[in-house]
Amino acid sequence: SQKIEQNSEALNIQEGKTATLTCNYTNYSPAYLQWYRQDPGRGPVFLLLIRENEKEKRKERLKVTFDTTLKQSLFHITASQPADSATYLCALEKAGTALIFGKGTTLSVSS
Amino acid sequence: SQTIHQWPATLVQPVGSPLSLECTVEGTSNPNLYWYRQAAGRGLQLLFYSVGIGQISSEVPQNLSASRPQDRQFILSSKKLLLSDSGFYLCAWSSIWGGQEKLFFGSGTQLSVL
Repeated sequence: SQKIEQNSEALNIQEGKTATLTCNYTNYSPAYLQWYRQDPGRGPVFLLLIRENEKEKRKERLKVTFDTTLKQSLFHITASQPADSATYLCALEKAGTALIFGKGTTLSVSS
Repeated sequence: SQTIHQWPATLVQPVGSPLSLECTVEGTSNPNLYWYRQAAGRGLQLLFYSVGIGQISSEVPQNLSASRPQDRQFILSSKKLLLSDSGFYLCAWSSIWGGQEKLFFGSGTQLSVL
């Protein structure tokens, strides 16, 4: 069956460092992959989408990579700030239906 | 601009009672609509999605049902709640013209079944 795994449930880093979150998938050949941010008690908010023919995508301090051979996406936040503390979810489209989400990685940035 | 409304924000219900959660979208037409649930310690679980009025696809067999009586209205229901139905319920929409490239989520309903 199709699976999405975000290896770390929690990641703690210091302000100013780069946070790197991992998303692995199996039994998928997705056309694109997405990353969302979720704050406690709120709905997820879309951050970035990367297509299978794109190796890297950037948006301000965010960078996403997509390796279809490794079946992995990396999500980077450079120069992290306490305001970046949240849960980050990766998502893939389940063939012809809707997005399936990983369990998320909770990032805590300390000052 | 498009907005999504979901209510209530919190709900405490006894086991065996019925449930009705409503979601409406404004500012767009013919959206794809979704219900997800997020239980403690688990990820977002897709429950139902709809590509049009009266068209509902169920992803997980359970005692919940969904209906779409109008283009921009999506309702999640149960006749008898179970303890395991507790969780954070999220409604979302995506633009049919953009495929399923982005989901826009509502603010969620925290349901506690006691």
